[in-house]
Amino acid sequence: QVQLQESGPGLVKPSETLSLTCAVSGGSISSGGYYWSWIRQPAGKGLEWIGRMYTSGSTNYNASLKSRVTISIDTSKNMVSLKLSSVTAADTAVYYCTRGVASLSVWGKGTTVTVSS
Amino acid sequence: EIVLTQSPGTLSLSPGERATLSCRASQSVSSTYLAWYQQKPGQAPRLLIYGASSRATGIPDRISGSGSGTDFTLTISRLEPEDSAVYYCQQYSTSTGLTFGPGTKVEIK
Repeated sequence: QVQLQESGPGLVKPSETLSLTCAVSGGSISSGGYYWSWIRQPAGKGLEWIGRMYTSGSTNYNASLKSRVTISIDTSKNMVSLKLSSVTAADTAVYYCTRGVASLSVWGKGTTVTVSS
Repeated sequence: EIVLTQSPGTLSLSPGERATLSCRASQSVSSTYLAWYQQKPGQAPRLLIYGASSRATGIPDRISGSGSGTDFTLTISRLEPEDSAVYYCQQYSTSTGLTFGPGTKVEIK
């Protein structure tokens, strides 16, 4: 059974770049024809799709974040990465790594990122 | 961009009652691309329904999804205390990706 584990700095300064990784265990990131997505959720609020990457390398991003987001996959490390540049307090949230195509069947537990000086 | 609206915002029901949650889309959504999730406090969301009406692995048959076009429904028959959670609908579009509704909170009295 595939499991996802997000990790990264819990505190990021405004204007800097948020960098998170998602370790995939229990299966190869290259198999199955899945998309690997990042979702975020500010405290007490709803879910926002950030973007996704297919194992072929193609990406789709939320239009509202597209200019600041990069999602990549490292097949040798079985890992998915998220970079979000020029962060502000509005980027403070729990960030989830997920797997799926039209729906998201596998989720990590999430990692909390706070943007503050 | 397709906007999803969920109603009611909060639903307060007793154990054993039926919960009916609505998800309305601003444009027609393919049933193939409509999903429902359950999220309990401090936990990641869990996929309940995909393709508008197909239950995900391990989801009991008292939870069901239906609908088409712009109107979709999640029904939980015979509510149990463990069903207390926030429920989100989600749609997928090849042009704009995934979007989520604002959620419906289900409270068990």
